[in-house]
Amino acid sequence: DTAVSQTPKYLVTQMGNDKSIKCEQNLGHDTMYWYKQDSKKFLKIMFSYNNKELIINETVPNRFSPKSPDKAHLNLHINSLELGDSAVYFCASSQEKGLNTEAFFGQGTRLTVV
Amino acid sequence: EDQVTQSPEALRLQEGESSSLNCSYTVSGLRGLFWYRQDPGKGPEFLFTLYSAGEEKEKERLKATLTKKESFLHITAPKPEDSATYLCAVRPGGSQGNLIFGKGTKLSVKP
Repeated sequence: DTAVSQTPKYLVTQMGNDKSIKCEQNLGHDTMYWYKQDSKKFLKIMFSYNNKELIINETVPNRFSPKSPDKAHLNLHINSLELGDSAVYFCASSQEKGLNTEAFFGQGTRLTVV
Repeated sequence: EDQVTQSPEALRLQEGESSSLNCSYTVSGLRGLFWYRQDPGKGPEFLFTLYSAGEEKEKERLKATLTKKESFLHITAPKPEDSATYLCAVRPGGSQGNLIFGKGTKLSVKP
């Protein structure tokens, strides 16, 4: 009965490969996000989608492409992986309108590029 | 520029030794300040939202307060299970919901 679930939890891959991370939320929220947590544990926004529409696209390489087939799902595809892409990627969701706007996070996907 | 600074970076307490964590922020129009707890290998777990100066919220041994420039997370008589990294985040005015996080305070409570 997980609120925000992402798969896989661990991903080890070689440089140059293409990989995807999937995220689903069952909270009925209208906004979903991808955050990146680097080796120093610093969390930073990458993308934000509201009702399947891209709202925020921070300074992220074009190799990263989010896709939202519906408002409950937000996937992240990464092309031509580089060593510097190694990090933990978190999916999150929130409801932008209403009294409670806190974001809920998934358990993270630890990506290791070798 | 919107910014969040947390201090200290790490805090070691004895069980029962109360203390406070600080979160200083500069933001263009605050739409909420959030506290999260993160355990190793897990995602941030939501604790509190504060919206206006003077607001306070409590949950078990934790109490969060907010002023116009900073927020405190007070921990009363902590237990070893309170050991975690505590993250502070702000939502700027005009943002589309994204959060700006501080680097966190790693709390260790020894029995």
